[in-house]
Amino acid sequence: AQSVTQLDSQVPVFEEAPVELRCNYSSSVSVYLFWYVQYPNQGLQLLLKYLSGSTLVESINGFEAEFNKSQTSFHLRKPSVHISDTAEYFCAVSPTSGTYKYIFGTGTRLKVLA
Amino acid sequence: DAGVIQSPRHEVTEMGQEVTLRCKPISGHNSLFWYRQTMMRGLELLIYFNNNVPIDDSGMPEDRFSAKMPNASFSTLKIQPSEPRDSAVYFCASRWTGVNTGELFFGEGSRLTVL
Repeated sequence: AQSVTQLDSQVPVFEEAPVELRCNYSSSVSVYLFWYVQYPNQGLQLLLKYLSGSTLVESINGFEAEFNKSQTSFHLRKPSVHISDTAEYFCAVSPTSGTYKYIFGTGTRLKVLA
Repeated sequence: DAGVIQSPRHEVTEMGQEVTLRCKPISGHNSLFWYRQTMMRGLELLIYFNNNVPIDDSGMPEDRFSAKMPNASFSTLKIQPSEPRDSAVYFCASRWTGVNTGELFFGEGSRLTVL
């Protein structure tokens, strides 16, 4: 079975400041890792994903996440946030084989303050 | 492609009434998921299908909930009878599992309010 833990339910941060959203997972099998973003009144959209290879992955809008196998973590970071980054962010895992289950964390609400 | 299409977008109903939520996945996708989102419990996986077959329904809250996928282009989630605690946003999502690295594509959700 898999589980995902996002310890921070809300993260307020000032514009242009750095931010880190934490994600830890538990799984008895190999998994792929994902970050999704949800803007108000919308569905979730893929932000970035780790499948294999380099442990550091980046999105087109400046976010990055690093896969740490020993710590079973996949934290999301951005060096300088914008007001438009205000949204809810979800970490997710999916097994690399077998079932195609997709498990999400409880989400972290990022609020960027002017 | 039109994306994942859900209907209705909003539903307000009285306790005890039957509610049917509908989903049309992206054409070519062979895996479909139903999630429920609430402030208290976040995003919960209710059930998912592969090739129209239910694989795991362990997240379905109770017998009042049922889901079907009669063909590759349509799925329903039914609640009968509905209760106020069922109020939530219900999301449908689809993916293609031909290569199991697939992004999950979400619909815009159906916001259900049970009075």
